[in-house]
Amino acid sequence: RKEVEQDPGPFNVPEGATVAFNCTYSNSASQSFFWYRQDCRKEPKLLMSVYSSGNEDGRFTAQLNRASQYISLLIRDSKLSDSATYLCVVIDSGNTPLVFGKGTRLSVIA
Amino acid sequence: DAGVIQSPRHEVTEMGQEVTLRCKPISGHDYLFWYRQTMMRGLELLIYFNNNVPIDDSGMPEDRFSAKMPNASFSTLKIQPSEPRDSAVYFCASRGQAGEKLFFGSGTQLSVL
Repeated sequence: RKEVEQDPGPFNVPEGATVAFNCTYSNSASQSFFWYRQDCRKEPKLLMSVYSSGNEDGRFTAQLNRASQYISLLIRDSKLSDSATYLCVVIDSGNTPLVFGKGTRLSVIA
Repeated sequence: DAGVIQSPRHEVTEMGQEVTLRCKPISGHDYLFWYRQTMMRGLELLIYFNNNVPIDDSGMPEDRFSAKMPNASFSTLKIQPSEPRDSAVYFCASRGQAGEKLFFGSGTQLSVL
């Protein structure tokens, strides 16, 4: 049973498109949620935290649905530089390690 | 701040050889994590330390894997003997107080022939 599941993609979208990824988690008691970005042959880096009320950072919007146990990431006006793998991350409690999804690969095409 | 430092960046070895991966966490961080990443399994947590003490090693695949953290600024992950299925990227990461942002090193690309 996977703790964090993501659609692996790849999502191939043209520049300027809007694209959304979902991620489901199995533990209803999970407390903290994040999206990380990983470029090819690089380490993962924090993109944004996900708050219960939803949050926005420029072209990126993250949302949490506790009832259905999923989080989402919306990217508006896609840029070529957005091409990367996006990892969904869940923490069950403050002292436990992060659990990563396998990631969703995004390719933005000119 | 230099960030999390891992060495070597690349390691190519033959089956049966001992491999030692090294990590220097960010100064002041209490938690250190070792992850392994493959295409098939994604990022898997191997072991993590809090204040140099191993807290959970349930992700260590088998007895061939061992990890130590002799002090707050250094950790090693050792594989002895190595096998081709150990080929992966091994990441070390550290963070401060619980829930804070996790910082990754650049990883070690391990190839066991």
